[in-house]
Amino acid sequence: QSALTQPPSVSGSPGQSVTISCTGTSSDFLNYNRVSWYQQPPGTAPKLMIYEVSYRPSGVPDRFSGSKSGNTASLTISGLQAEDEADYYCSSYTPNSTVFGGGTKLTVL
Amino acid sequence: QVQLQESGPGLVKPSQTLSLTCIVSGASISSRSYYWSWIRQPAGKGLEWIGRVYPSANTDYNPSLKSRVTILVDTSKNHFSLKLSSVTAADTAVYFCAGYGDVYSYRSLDVWGKGTTVTVSS
Repeated sequence: QSALTQPPSVSGSPGQSVTISCTGTSSDFLNYNRVSWYQQPPGTAPKLMIYEVSYRPSGVPDRFSGSKSGNTASLTISGLQAEDEADYYCSSYTPNSTVFGGGTKLTVL
Repeated sequence: QVQLQESGPGLVKPSQTLSLTCIVSGASISSRSYYWSWIRQPAGKGLEWIGRVYPSANTDYNPSLKSRVTILVDTSKNHFSLKLSSVTAADTAVYFCAGYGDVYSYRSLDVWGKGTTVTVSS
């Protein structure tokens, strides 16, 4: 059982916005700004999309944004595009481990 | 640009030891630019963090796997390795190697290999 809970699936139409939540079951996991988000299209390796809650690596479109409130982190994708269809994983870094959420499948309708 | 490539047997018999290697190019494995990690993903399921190794060769492991896992660094070959003992069918998965970059304060996995499929079966 993951210590980070994500909804199994979300969906949206092109141009719309969707938000994926990531809730920690322990305050340790989301107590610090060490949350990352990864995108994984089918059959590929994960790709870092957001680090330290809300920062985008170079090359990631600004349609992707992250935030955190209390024990819940969120990834918002605005202006949905067909290419955004993928699995998304949150993760939290701790001094002794990294924990992944269970993943959320984003379907672009 | 740092690139990672996993290699190793695609088929391992139950009770044996799974051994994989991650070849690092574009960076020295002994530099402090990266910490190195292994992650796995059973078919149709989510990501599971296995562990990480530091340039000092110190390690952190997933508590659920700790008794069976060893991650080592080989600076002479610029690669790091994963050994998982006493495997069962539950260890069948795609195994990824990845790196935590100093650009991201070593807290995010910003470089990944393509993954290699390991099946545990007799």
